[in-house]
Amino acid sequence: NAGVTQTPKFRILKIGQSMTLQCTQDMNHNYMYWYRQDPGMGLKLIYYSVGAGITDKGEVPNGYNVSRSTTEDFPLRLELAAPSQTSVYFCASSSPFNLELSGPTGELFFGEGSRLTVL
Amino acid sequence: AQSVTQPDIHITVSEGASLELRCNYSYGATPYLFWYVQSPGQGLQLLLKYFSGDTLVQGIKGFEAEFKRSQSSFNLRKPSVHWSDAAEYFCAVGVRADGLTFGKGTHLIIQP
Repeated sequence: NAGVTQTPKFRILKIGQSMTLQCTQDMNHNYMYWYRQDPGMGLKLIYYSVGAGITDKGEVPNGYNVSRSTTEDFPLRLELAAPSQTSVYFCASSSPFNLELSGPTGELFFGEGSRLTVL
Repeated sequence: AQSVTQPDIHITVSEGASLELRCNYSYGATPYLFWYVQSPGQGLQLLLKYFSGDTLVQGIKGFEAEFKRSQSSFNLRKPSVHWSDAAEYFCAVGVRADGLTFGKGTHLIIQP
């Protein structure tokens, strides 16, 4: 029962390097999300996707890119890493609770997180 | 825009005592409300959720929450806390495809 799987769990980057955080879910959920969590700030939405081939910006998208070529995978790309991107990143997925509404109202299922440090 | 306020950054409770964590939301319609718990180094786990109906909802691990529309609140309660309840608790609101809006969290400390 894998759920949402994120890799890597930990990573240290140098300023200016690039990397991709991988996220895959096996629940056939249409909706997927990337959040970042900083101490005392809760979770901030970076990007989200409502289905394969569709992505949209969240609250804090600058410095990141995403793609959604399959239902299962939603990688997050960091280009030109900066110290401000030091954070814990969470991938999540959900499915619509009420199909009459325009979006999901069900719970989000989270991965265990990826701790990224940029030095 | 929707928003969530958790007024208490830290709360310390003695083991066996009752607990109430506060959550206030701002949303233009009836929201869907959630409480999540995060243990150190872990992802978030859903405790309970409110969509409609009975305003008192029961969750896992003995938690409950009450939706009060007049106060725009969704406070989390537990009659008797255990040391294993020490964690970060997040209230969240959402109804659209662009995910949930989270509060900043309340850090719960359990005293022996």
